[in-house]
Amino acid sequence: DSGVTQTPKHLITATGQRVTLRCSPRSGDLSVYWYQQSLDQGLQFLIQYYNGEERAKGNILERFSAQQFPDLHSELNLSSLELGDSALYFCASSEYPPGLAGGQGTGELFFGEGSRLTVL
Amino acid sequence: SQQGEEDPQALSIQEGENATMNCSYKTSINNLQWYRQNSGRGLVHLILIRSNEREKHSGRLRVTLDTSKKSSSLLITASRAADTASYFCWAGGTSYGKLTFGQGTILTVHP
Repeated sequence: DSGVTQTPKHLITATGQRVTLRCSPRSGDLSVYWYQQSLDQGLQFLIQYYNGEERAKGNILERFSAQQFPDLHSELNLSSLELGDSALYFCASSEYPPGLAGGQGTGELFFGEGSRLTVL
Repeated sequence: SQQGEEDPQALSIQEGENATMNCSYKTSINNLQWYRQNSGRGLVHLILIRSNEREKHSGRLRVTLDTSKKSSSLLITASRAADTASYFCWAGGTSYGKLTFGQGTILTVHP
């Protein structure tokens, strides 16, 4: 058990709909990362937050948005869903983000078990 | 982009054999990390090697790092069927950036 909790574990919805995926990071971790994994695209980095602030952005579509709340949990919102959005969505957390000035922390990521989204 | 690229893409061995997979990266790093992913599950951290280290061991795992060649290798000794998984490396950089994994190495260990 990594200590990272993701809900829901499975989600089936229709094209055009909107869903929200939730992530509770490991206790004490300030940094949250979102990844999308599909068969044809591999593991894609979407976005990273550190202590409530966006720190790095990857291949996140404009239809997707995320935020990290004061209690450090994070939500990933996916809207106007398309068939191609079907994937496993992983959340990961770390105590500090890699590259933080002073080199604090190891940057080791702890992954949740993912939310499997199926868009029909 | 702080991306590691794993090689080979797939590796198939018999139980008891050693498995070696490689990782190349492009940027300066603080550390390099290896992760394992069982099918459909979240990634699990295996081992971290810092940029000032050349070799590290953890159980049946041995990691080497050559910063001059920007490469690392992961050796799994005496492989077991339970080692069947995808293995990813991650180059922990010195600045924020696209925190991307490579395509991974798919290891299959036959009983």
